[in-house]
Amino acid sequence: QAGLTQPPSVSKGLRQTATLTCTGNSNIVGNQGAAWLQQHQGHPPKLLSYRNNNRPSGISERFSASRSGNTASLTITGLQPEDEADYYCSAWDSSLSAWVFGGGTKLTVL
Amino acid sequence: QVQLQESGPGLVKPSETLSLTCAVSGYSISSGYYWGWIRQPPGKGLEWIGSIYHSGSTYYNPSLKSRVTISVDTSKNQFSLKLSSVTAADTAVYYCARRWDAFDIWGQGTMVTVSS
Repeated sequence: QAGLTQPPSVSKGLRQTATLTCTGNSNIVGNQGAAWLQQHQGHPPKLLSYRNNNRPSGISERFSASRSGNTASLTITGLQPEDEADYYCSAWDSSLSAWVFGGGTKLTVL
Repeated sequence: QVQLQESGPGLVKPSETLSLTCAVSGYSISSGYYWGWIRQPPGKGLEWIGSIYHSGSTYYNPSLKSRVTISVDTSKNQFSLKLSSVTAADTAVYYCARRWDAFDIWGQGTMVTVSS
């Protein structure tokens, strides 16, 4: 499934800011926006934000999401070692009538 | 606290049917939400398999639709996945998850290997 495109990897330094991107088309991101999930190795994904910038209870304010056109972004400020993980975007594709995920971005905190 | 727990065989033979169940605790399925299955092949990304509404309405990934059946048993507060005619390409960790605007609560996942 290639509905959402994410860069395979991003590397940033400790306490820096990382911005992860997710590009789709108007059938996807431009519709209800994207959700972002974090997955540590060997663990299930964890929802970080939905409908562009709504955070579930308990998610740090260091994680913020936004959208510009058909590109969704997740910004992580003050990077910590525990932020090193895989990050996936997800959205409903109205043309396919299917939920789609991006290929994931591996974030490395140097 | 809502929790989901997958269960089922960890090994399935090629051409057979993979069957998994997701037990939900802390929330009654019949109260609402969509309930879905997502899988992740080793070292790869996430793939949505399909979802079911508490009423029983289903919708499936078009690429898997011909092989997938998802059902719900509100009396047992669980929902199930059947994937027929499996091949090695179906080897993956299978997750069940709750969804409204997004998949917000996930099970721990269960590894299913397709091999003879």
